[in-house]
Amino acid sequence: GAGVSQTPSNKVTEKGKYVELRCDPISGHTALYWYRQSLGQGPEFLIYFQGTGAADDSGLPNDRFFAVRPEGSVSTLKIQRTERGDSAVYLCASSPTGQINNEQFFGPGTRLTVL
Amino acid sequence: AQSVTQLDSQVPVFEEAPVELRCNYSSSVSVYLFWYVQYPNQGLQLLLKYLSGSTLVKSINGFEAEFNKSQTSFHLRKPSVHISDTAEYFCAVSASWNRDDKIIFGKGTRLHILP
Repeated sequence: GAGVSQTPSNKVTEKGKYVELRCDPISGHTALYWYRQSLGQGPEFLIYFQGTGAADDSGLPNDRFFAVRPEGSVSTLKIQRTERGDSAVYLCASSPTGQINNEQFFGPGTRLTVL
Repeated sequence: AQSVTQLDSQVPVFEEAPVELRCNYSSSVSVYLFWYVQYPNQGLQLLLKYLSGSTLVKSINGFEAEFNKSQTSFHLRKPSVHISDTAEYFCAVSASWNRDDKIIFGKGTRLHILP
């Protein structure tokens, strides 16, 4: 079956612009996660959705970052007034229930470059 | 809070030789432990996990890891590596008391298989 998909695969933007990154989870998975992976680092947790609601957004670095999942399926990560330090690969993962003993399935990521 | 340390950023090893990728964690509570693998140009995949029970866990492709509570370690081993094992390996931890807890990743170890 189809895995987690993310669009676009690459996004180049200028400092100060607004960007949206999209994640399509595996059908039927209630849990959805966003991570950020900077060069030479492991994935860093940003936010976790259980259904439509954000169950844990403690990883969002500041109020320029926001994510939604209005119908409990597709999610969009939104970054306002982008900065060069936001450049990274943004990963999305989904899980059947969100409980930690369930495997998280990762998408290929969106590489964001802020010039 | 939990943290993960992967001391080796890169590990070169000859084909058919054994390998150990080191992982140490820090936590004040009981944990779940994971190894994820990222093959070139692919997304992260779960390799193996320790949740409870036997401290030695194995993957389908010959890797194994042993949970050592006294040494707070979860090292990954394989007795004989193949070119196809070339990838980046991430150790990760989560608090087991909170079934919805986020996963904290290490910085990763890049495994180079030499012919």
